[in-house]
Amino acid sequence: GAGVSQSPRYKVAKRGQDVALRCDPISGHVSLFWYQQALGQGPEFLTYFQNEAQLDKSGLPSDRFFAERPEGSVSTLKIQRTQQEDSAVYLCASSLGERVTQYFGPGTRLLVL
Amino acid sequence: QKEVEQDPGPLSVPEGAIVSLNCTYSNSAFQYFMWYRQYSRKGPELLMYTYSSGNKEDGRFTAQVDKSSKYISLFIRDSQPSDSATYLCAMKSGATNKLIFGTGTLLAVQP
Repeated sequence: GAGVSQSPRYKVAKRGQDVALRCDPISGHVSLFWYQQALGQGPEFLTYFQNEAQLDKSGLPSDRFFAERPEGSVSTLKIQRTQQEDSAVYLCASSLGERVTQYFGPGTRLLVL
Repeated sequence: QKEVEQDPGPLSVPEGAIVSLNCTYSNSAFQYFMWYRQYSRKGPELLMYTYSSGNKEDGRFTAQVDKSSKYISLFIRDSQPSDSATYLCAMKSGATNKLIFGTGTLLAVQP
């Protein structure tokens, strides 16, 4: 398929563990976004890349959250020393340049025990 | 107070009914308005996109934006059980690329 893919789809971590979530955007999409969706809530913005440049990281909740996109395609969201409050669905979206339309992946469901 | 307010529902309607979903917002800088549909355990899927005020129709779906009232709506005509999902409104200003979402309204269309 040509959509946004994310892996793993589900991740269970023990409190204090580090996790890495992967996003493969639609081929050719220069803009990439990460959102966090808590249960029963709408997605909340975490960070935005244009190619390899991280242009906005204002939504990252703490310095335990780190995102990268070193070659301007695949992106990884890393959460260090996970806490129970990090349990959520992490959504990745991509868009073509400055176009408004963002296409979302299926999300990674993270559960921290 | 959140920038975007949306009634979480749930909203239950019989098949064939007209559904009205809406959001209010406080940031007058919002210029782009979207409706996403999210099925359980799936990512959001874009349904409708409107720039500034006005109406937009696509099949059974109509989106309305009233910037003077800071109020947007999505109407679904002849609702089907397959329309059962969470509907999220989303907005952005021209100065940023990030979307601001409502909490989502859970819709159930009963056959």
